[in-house]
Amino acid sequence: DAKTTQPPSMDCAEGRAANLPCNHSTISGNEYVYWYRQIHSQGPQYIIHGLKNNETNEMASLIITEDRKSSTLILPHATLRDTAVYYCIVRGSSGSARQLTFGSGTQLTVLP
Amino acid sequence: GAVVSQHPSWVICKSGTSVKIECRSLDFQATTMFWYRQFPKQSLMLMATSNEGSKATYEQGVEKDKFLINHASLTLSTLTVTSAHPEDSSFYICSAPSRTGGSYEQYFGPGTRLTVT
Repeated sequence: DAKTTQPPSMDCAEGRAANLPCNHSTISGNEYVYWYRQIHSQGPQYIIHGLKNNETNEMASLIITEDRKSSTLILPHATLRDTAVYYCIVRGSSGSARQLTFGSGTQLTVLP
Repeated sequence: GAVVSQHPSWVICKSGTSVKIECRSLDFQATTMFWYRQFPKQSLMLMATSNEGSKATYEQGVEKDKFLINHASLTLSTLTVTSAHPEDSSFYICSAPSRTGGSYEQYFGPGTRLTVT
């Protein structure tokens, strides 16, 4: 699985969009980009994943650059409950049930 | 989405005793489950892969005789920390993959906080 690089921390004002970047310059053609988050003292929660097209669900949007070397997770209207560590993970085929490898993630703090 | 539970949510034990942590997939079957460990201010580290009907596979550096894993059924995996020591104090999290449409997603339990005194 390709390595990812994320900023260690970010702040965001409540109600504003939170844009969390992730670099994955060594990603290969069949690898997906997954995002999970972990609220303090809880298990990680799946947010979204994508291959090359932008994706949107009820939680967030995922924007993947055309060269697929980076992506951005967008929380359109951040709330205090979105304060968490966000993990960007690159892994092979979404059809695989393999384990996830977690990096250090980004601590997002939503400020009132 | 699929739900994974863990029991207990927290446990305090004395040094030298053993502790069992359960991981259950509540509304789906999982032939494979994963056990992670997380120390304060660190990321999740995979400890082992639990396989229903066969032996678990352990990551390098994880003592299989200390961390006993039993995948008793398609919905239950247990992790037993034997002869626990204070350095085993950590947050233990399990996950299980569930197929949704054409892809797998990993669903995580809420974690178990182990404190060894």
